[in-house]
Amino acid sequence: GAVVSQHPSWVICKSGTSVKIECRSLDFQATTMFWYRQFPKQSLMLMATSNEGSKATYEQGVEKDKFLINHASLTLSTLTVTSAHPEDSSFYICSARRLAGEDTQYFGPGTRLTVL
Amino acid sequence: ILNVEQSPQSLHVQEGDSTNFTCSFPSSNFYALHWYRWETAKSPEALFVMTLNGDEKKKGRISATLNTKEGYSYLYIKGSQPEDSATYLCAFMGNNQGGKLIFGQGTELSVKP
Repeated sequence: GAVVSQHPSWVICKSGTSVKIECRSLDFQATTMFWYRQFPKQSLMLMATSNEGSKATYEQGVEKDKFLINHASLTLSTLTVTSAHPEDSSFYICSARRLAGEDTQYFGPGTRLTVL
Repeated sequence: ILNVEQSPQSLHVQEGDSTNFTCSFPSSNFYALHWYRWETAKSPEALFVMTLNGDEKKKGRISATLNTKEGYSYLYIKGSQPEDSATYLCAFMGNNQGGKLIFGQGTELSVKP
């Protein structure tokens, strides 16, 4: 159990366009979802924490107007990269936590975004 | 800035070798230390969540130890197999941080048959 999917697995877009990435918990309800990104040769860095039905909490240095997060249901969170630029090219990966207070995070397979 | 460091960055071993790698993390405000295995094109898979100083956990041929006072954890793989080839990530979780994980850069393990 505890499977998380992400869609799309990769996307190539033109500079200035917006891209939406979906993160779904397939067999459990996720009270909290997390969005990370990973630049080449670097570690996974938390971008924001998303609780169902409330506004996301963004990490320092992450622009909330550029990376829109919506967590409308207990099984779906979306990350929209608005007006994407080449420097936004990265690997974006989400994770989900089943219960408040549970420590384990279950990860999706990630989305490779390339902005031309 | 909280630093989580993993060493070595990469490791190449022969099938049957035993191996270990290190994760160092802040010793203050500790809540938990996570280990994940991440195979290419797959989701990171949770291996262990360790919370108590001196804890040792085991899953098959993989085990991990935890020293919260000095801020390190070791991951051991006994009798490595080619299917163990993956990147092993550790992540620090601090107290009252809302479940936030701070990851190391990972150790990339390659096991040759």
